Amino acid sequence: GQQVMQIPQYQHVQEGEDFTTYCNSSTTLSNIQWYKQRPGGHPVFLIQLVKSGEVKKQKRLTFQFGEAKKNSSLHITATQTTDVGTYFCAGTSGTYKYIFGTGTRLKVLA
Amino acid sequence: NAGVMQNPRHLVRRRGQEARLRCSPMKGHSHVYWYRQLPEEGLKFMVYLQKENIIDESGMPKERFSAEFPKEGPSILRIQQVVRGDSAAYFCASSRMGGTEAFFGQGTRLTVV
Repeated sequence: GQQVMQIPQYQHVQEGEDFTTYCNSSTTLSNIQWYKQRPGGHPVFLIQLVKSGEVKKQKRLTFQFGEAKKNSSLHITATQTTDVGTYFCAGTSGTYKYIFGTGTRLKVLA
Repeated sequence: NAGVMQNPRHLVRRRGQEARLRCSPMKGHSHVYWYRQLPEEGLKFMVYLQKENIIDESGMPKERFSAEFPKEGPSILRIQQVVRGDSAAYFCASSRMGGTEAFFGQGTRLTVV
């Protein structure tokens, strides 16, 4: 079945450093979503990417969808302590069933 | 517009009892998804429902687990004869249409003792 992997599993950065998490699917995706989950909280939708090679920005966050629509990345510029949490990608191959990635846990050291 | 409401937030059950988890989607949303999350792990898809229909239940164990989304009322995830391994956080999400932004509830944390 479809698998979605994320790397790294954990990332500790100093406040102000950049951070990137990568998402790789075993199958071609029709679209991909990104979510953030704070410790003890619930996933919160960040963005959805649909087109091959698509790049979207939200303030310090940059999201990219690979040309082959099998991978994606989230890059945070100049991390802040409020960026702490786990970032999940979730992909679908067109069935509306989203398979969540394994997540990247980000810790930001002040 | 209230968000996705899940209740109870915490549920403790003894082994062999039934657990009933409720999810009221956002107003205007007819698509509901249930996910299970173990501590420090990702979200595992369980079931996808539209009003009165189960669309995809491929992630749900065949035995003891069932889900419904009636015409009126909340979606229910039911776990019969719970075992310790069922202890987890169960999240519900809703969307207006399939494949669009999903809004998550705060989850029900089930503990089986």
